[in-house]
Amino acid sequence: GENVEQHPSTLSVQEGDSAVIKCTYSDSASNYFPWYKQELGKRPQLIIDIRSNVGEKKDQRIAVTLNKTAKHFSLHITETQPEDSAVYFCAAIDNYGQNFVFGPGTRLSVLP
Amino acid sequence: GAVVSQHPSWVICKSGTSVKIECRSLDFQATTMFWYRQFPKQSLMLMATSNEGSKATYEQGVEKDKFLINHASLTLSTLTVTSAHPEDSSFYICSATSFPPSSQETQYFGPGTRLLVL
Repeated sequence: GENVEQHPSTLSVQEGDSAVIKCTYSDSASNYFPWYKQELGKRPQLIIDIRSNVGEKKDQRIAVTLNKTAKHFSLHITETQPEDSAVYFCAAIDNYGQNFVFGPGTRLSVLP
Repeated sequence: GAVVSQHPSWVICKSGTSVKIECRSLDFQATTMFWYRQFPKQSLMLMATSNEGSKATYEQGVEKDKFLINHASLTLSTLTVTSAHPEDSSFYICSATSFPPSSQETQYFGPGTRLLVL
């Protein structure tokens, strides 16, 4: 089955700096890769996603890149702000939405 | 985005009792709902996948007689924790998707239910 690894597990950056979180997956059939942000005690919220036919997607300060050959995808947050502090989860899903696997999460702390 | 509600938001119960958690898709028909369990500082652990009108598919290691899932309609799935024990205390989150046939295969999460078994 699918296996998703995520690094780093914790990340601290200064406000205004960039943050990068990387995930790798094992199942070449996976073709949809969402990223979720979960604040303490709250539900995960989808922040950006990318499909396997696209190499990069950007939404304001957030971008995601996908390398299908290497089976890894990354979340990039630029100009980080304190409100970006949260746990971020990547996930990989196959075409039928039946193989949905989360990464272990990255706790991002943006220091003022 | 689509809205998924979950009820109750938190529950405290005595050991040995059963607890039912409801997950509702409020503005779309959810062909598939997922139930997750999350321990503090850990990732979401998929417990089971339920499709409307059929039996849920449980992940390895999840006791189906312990965690009863019923997906009776396209907008409602329930998770019943039977004979709850303290080790069942956790944060339970449901999610729903309208895929297929829609292309919106992303999952929409409920707000979660915090269960504490005394």
